[in-house]
Amino acid sequence: LAKTTQPISMDSYEGQEVNITCSHNNIATNDYITWYQQFPSQGPRFIIQGYKTKVTNEVASLFIPADRKSSTLSLPRVSLSDTAVYYCLVGRRGNTGKLIFGQGTTLQVKP
Amino acid sequence: DADVTQTPRNRITKTGKRIMLECSQTKGHDRMYWYRQDPGLGLRLIYYSFDVKDINKGEISDGYSVSRQAQAKFSLSLESAIPNQTALYFCATSDAAPLAPYQETQYFGPGTRLLVL
Repeated sequence: LAKTTQPISMDSYEGQEVNITCSHNNIATNDYITWYQQFPSQGPRFIIQGYKTKVTNEVASLFIPADRKSSTLSLPRVSLSDTAVYYCLVGRRGNTGKLIFGQGTTLQVKP
Repeated sequence: DADVTQTPRNRITKTGKRIMLECSQTKGHDRMYWYRQDPGLGLRLIYYSFDVKDINKGEISDGYSVSRQAQAKFSLSLESAIPNQTALYFCATSDAAPLAPYQETQYFGPGTRLLVL
């Protein structure tokens, strides 16, 4: 399983765009990149998943360069309610049941 | 996610006691998982089950056991609780899409906060 590295913490202000980058230098050809969000005292919640280029949904965008050795989760115009821990995971079907959650990135959004 | 429920939500027990944490889901998923989370750490997988007759150990299964009573129910037991099992426990489910190559989404319950004295 590819190991991921992401910043331990980030601060932002309401209304700003936040970009969280995850490094996964050993990503395999069949691996997908998935991001989860976790609020205090709640279970993680799926945000977005991608394989290459750009993926966008109602919550976030995911940018993946051609070499796929990193990915960037982009949160547009954050609010206080976006304060959470964000986890980057790399894997493929068949590895299910072995999702590796690292320490994640704690995002603190300030007023 | 309201489709995945865990009971109890909070539990205090003493060293050496046997306790059971229960998980139920109404999503109709075949796959279920138990994780624990310690402060400042990510989630670590304890056990997982791909169907009723399938049980697999995760990375930290020592001191734990599980039972998959039905598709919708997956219980985690601590046979003899010890203080370092104090943690937040999460149950999760996922759906198996046989032809999909991607990593399927896991849906988590609200968690059980366990304190072992």
